[in-house]
Amino acid sequence: SQTIHQWPATLVQPVGSPLSLECTVEGTSNPNLYWYRQAAGRGLQLLFYSVGIGQISSEVPQNLSASRPQDRQFILSSKKLLLSDSGFYLCAWSVGQGNTIYFGEGSWLTVV
Amino acid sequence: GEDVEQSLFLSVREGDSSVINCTYTDSSSTYLYWYKQEPGAGLQLLTYIFSNMDMKQDQRLTVLLNKKDKHLSLRIADTQTGDSAIYFCAESNVGTGGFKTIFGAGTRLFVKA
Repeated sequence: SQTIHQWPATLVQPVGSPLSLECTVEGTSNPNLYWYRQAAGRGLQLLFYSVGIGQISSEVPQNLSASRPQDRQFILSSKKLLLSDSGFYLCAWSVGQGNTIYFGEGSWLTVV
Repeated sequence: GEDVEQSLFLSVREGDSSVINCTYTDSSSTYLYWYKQEPGAGLQLLTYIFSNMDMKQDQRLTVLLNKKDKHLSLRIADTQTGDSAIYFCAESNVGTGGFKTIFGAGTRLFVKA
């Protein structure tokens, strides 16, 4: 069966520090991969999605970036965090077009 | 761009039915979903419906789709306190870079005992 892992689960980072959130999917090949953010009191916001290695689409201009170095690995990064980057980050995957999207457990980021 | 809208709050009494509504703008949506998020947890898929369907029933859940009006609803029969959570409506379509899903802001359901 397919599983998705993302880490770390929680982190507290100072303003201006770098960020790296990692996500891996197991049990499937060539998945579509996504990074979403849920800010406090707000809904989900699609940040990035990827249909293949090295193919990244950015939905919202910001100081975050994403990379897909391997088929089932998706990384969310920042060189310098802002206070407004605080939130709950969710990695997700799907296969094919129009199929269900499955989420990881999420990573809580607090920028102080 | 694509947009999904839903009311932010809904309060019901235990045992009553809950109806959560959602509207979307993308007429090319292929699938529409309802997800549930409990406090501090990730999202859990509740149910989904193909865009060529009008209704789908799954135990206590009934999904109604009005494609003409781009309106989706989720009805929870016999609502229980364990149903208290945030419910997200979502729609999927094929974007310029591939397949993507857009979510609404979520409706927080409060169930009063």
